[in-house]
Amino acid sequence: EIVLTQSPGTLSLSPGERATLSCRASQSVSSNYLAWYQQKPGQAPRLLIYGTSSRATGIPDRFSGSGSGTDFTLTISRLEPEDSAVYYCQQSRTFGLGTKVEIK
Amino acid sequence: EVQLVESGGGLVQPGGSLRLSCAASGLTVSSNYMTWVRQAPGKGLEWVSVIYSGGSTYYADSVKGRFTISRDTSKSTLYLQMDSVRAEDTAVYYCARGGTIFGIYYYYMDVWGKGTTVTVSS
Repeated sequence: EIVLTQSPGTLSLSPGERATLSCRASQSVSSNYLAWYQQKPGQAPRLLIYGTSSRATGIPDRFSGSGSGTDFTLTISRLEPEDSAVYYCQQSRTFGLGTKVEIK
Repeated sequence: EVQLVESGGGLVQPGGSLRLSCAASGLTVSSNYMTWVRQAPGKGLEWVSVIYSGGSTYYADSVKGRFTISRDTSKSTLYLQMDSVRAEDTAVYYCARGGTIFGIYYYYMDVWGKGTTVTVSS
């Protein structure tokens, strides 16, 4: 069974800064099945990225995804206050434990 | 507008049963890959089950043999029958549509309901 390890656990940055979130798989996985979600408190998750690098409908272009093999990255190029949330990566039927992004 | 609305959550005793429903509008349940995902209090997301457009069903090991996913095409509704529930099944349960690209299922979930809360406790 594949395990997804997300790091860091928490990221605290200022508005306008760049956030880099990592998702590492315990074995090589298909980039077709790698997705990222954003979840704010009390809300359902929202799809951000699918197929490693394709943005979902309505997602701003400051969100981007990349990676292959075992290492995948979600980048938020210019943080905005509303980006404060927990971000999860998913590969097939497995989720990572999430990275919490805090905006100072 | 595509919308999923879950219902049926509540308090249930260990060993008891509960059936969750997910009413879909703007999409046809039988033509999509429909999933259930849960989130225990303060925890991350856990994939629970999926029903393929062709009818095949799959379950997480943690619920296999206890939960059953099904759908009613005439009502455009997805269900999750939960039997022999345990304390560790306490969670918010979300239904979601599985994403496809050119008809191929890619496991991501692009439409989510708001969730229904299940609490297993005596």
